[in-house]
Amino acid sequence: GQNIDQPTEMTATEGAIVQINCTYQTSGFNGLFWYQQHAGEAPTFLSYNVLDGLEEKGRFSSFLSRSKGYSYLLLKELQMKDSASYLCAVMDSNYQLIWGAGTKLIIKP
Amino acid sequence: GAVVSQHPSWVICKSGTSVKIECRSLDFQATTMFWYRQFPKQSLMLMATSNEGSKATYEQGVEKDKFLINHASLTLSTLTVTSAHPEDSSFYICSARDQGGGETDTQYFGPGTRLTVL
Repeated sequence: GQNIDQPTEMTATEGAIVQINCTYQTSGFNGLFWYQQHAGEAPTFLSYNVLDGLEEKGRFSSFLSRSKGYSYLLLKELQMKDSASYLCAVMDSNYQLIWGAGTKLIIKP
Repeated sequence: GAVVSQHPSWVICKSGTSVKIECRSLDFQATTMFWYRQFPKQSLMLMATSNEGSKATYEQGVEKDKFLINHASLTLSTLTVTSAHPEDSSFYICSARDQGGGETDTQYFGPGTRLTVL
């Protein structure tokens, strides 16, 4: 079967760095997405990785290793507004999205 | 974990025809389902909130007569794109809200339906 695993909840301190991991097993691979979702709002696109390596975009970076079926989202200089759920999703060989359950990130002052 | 399915996965239709997309929650009851539209590498755009047994709530700019939503049961919501045109071609994603009791309030996403209008 297909599945995406990511931690249910993480806590970090304002100003610190946090890494949210995502491992996947899917039938084929056409890219991995990270989204941020604040309660009651639609998911916001953060990143898309289809090749191995690190993609940096401001305070957020996303890493992919296709051979390991592994990705992480790195958030630097954490701010209180970063408190949200972070969703990992993989597009399989049929271009269908397989979603992780999301990681709830709690930022403490 | 909870699973949300969508049918069909892919659909190609002629301009002017109508297309129905189903969203089902497979192991929980969802009083609320959401319909999104996604353009490549962009955020999900909320189209409407579907509430079981009542009319859907549409976001500003979404034509309710064009995108008909029906949420007739606690496990099924449908989106019908009426008189589809090429500009309606997109990836449509649904999600279902599991308010299973207590502090549980989680949104589960479907795999998406790719619509191509010729």
